[in-house]
Amino acid sequence: AQSVTQLDSHVSVSEGTPVLLRCNYSSSYSPSLFWYVQHPNKGLQLLLKYTSAATLVKGINGFEAEFKKSETSFHLTKPSAHMSDAAEYFCVVRGGSSNTGKLIFGQGTTLQVKP
Amino acid sequence: GAGVSQSPRYKVAKRGQDVALRCDPISGHVSLFWYQQALGQGPEFLTYFQNEAQLDKSGLPSDRFFAERPEGSVSTLKIQRTQQEDSAVYLCASSTPGSTNEKLFFGSGTQLSVL
Repeated sequence: AQSVTQLDSHVSVSEGTPVLLRCNYSSSYSPSLFWYVQHPNKGLQLLLKYTSAATLVKGINGFEAEFKKSETSFHLTKPSAHMSDAAEYFCVVRGGSSNTGKLIFGQGTTLQVKP
Repeated sequence: GAGVSQSPRYKVAKRGQDVALRCDPISGHVSLFWYQQALGQGPEFLTYFQNEAQLDKSGLPSDRFFAERPEGSVSTLKIQRTQQEDSAVYLCASSTPGSTNEKLFFGSGTQLSVL
C-alpha cells in the first residue's frame, strides 16, 4: 500500500531564508508524488508533481522537490521564503491505479514565515 | 464557473439530522472526487465518479454516507443521521479529461459541524 509521512507538523522560518519541508513515502512500485498547498479559506492547489521523469521537479512560486529513491524521500524546498508562503503543505502519493485518481495525503506541515 | 464550487460553505447540524452537500465541478471535467478533512489532518478519500458512474466508494466511512452524480455534472454528498464524528471539512475536486487524474482542482469545501 502507498503512504506518505510528513516528518514535521510545523516549520517556522524567517522571511528570506530557505524552506525545507520533509516527506518520506512508502510504495510497492514507482510512485507518483505531489505537493499541494492549502491557504486559509482557499482550495488546495497543486505545487508540483513527480511522475518518474526528472528526479528534480520544479513547481510554482519557486518551490522544487527532489525524488530520492534510495532515501524514499520527496522533500520540498524553496531558496527564500516569502510571507505569502505561510500555509499548510501536503505531501501526496497516488494510491491504486491512475484511473481512480485516489490521492493519499500526508498529515500536513504548517509553514510559518516570520518577518 | 471558473472553479469548483461547493455549497453551503458552512453547515451546522444537530446530531441525527440528514445533510446534503453540493459540488459543482469545473465544466467539462469528467472525474469528480469527494474527500473528508478532519481538523488538523490531511484530506481522506471518500469516493470517485467518472461521469455519472461511481467507480470507487471504498472511502465512505459507513452506510450513512451516500454520494450521487446523476447527470455526470453536479454531485451531492448526503450524510444521514449525522454524528459528531462526521464534523469535518468536505472537499470536492474535479479533474481534466485525459490528465490521468493527476491534477485535481479543489473547491473551498463545506465545513460541517454536528452538535
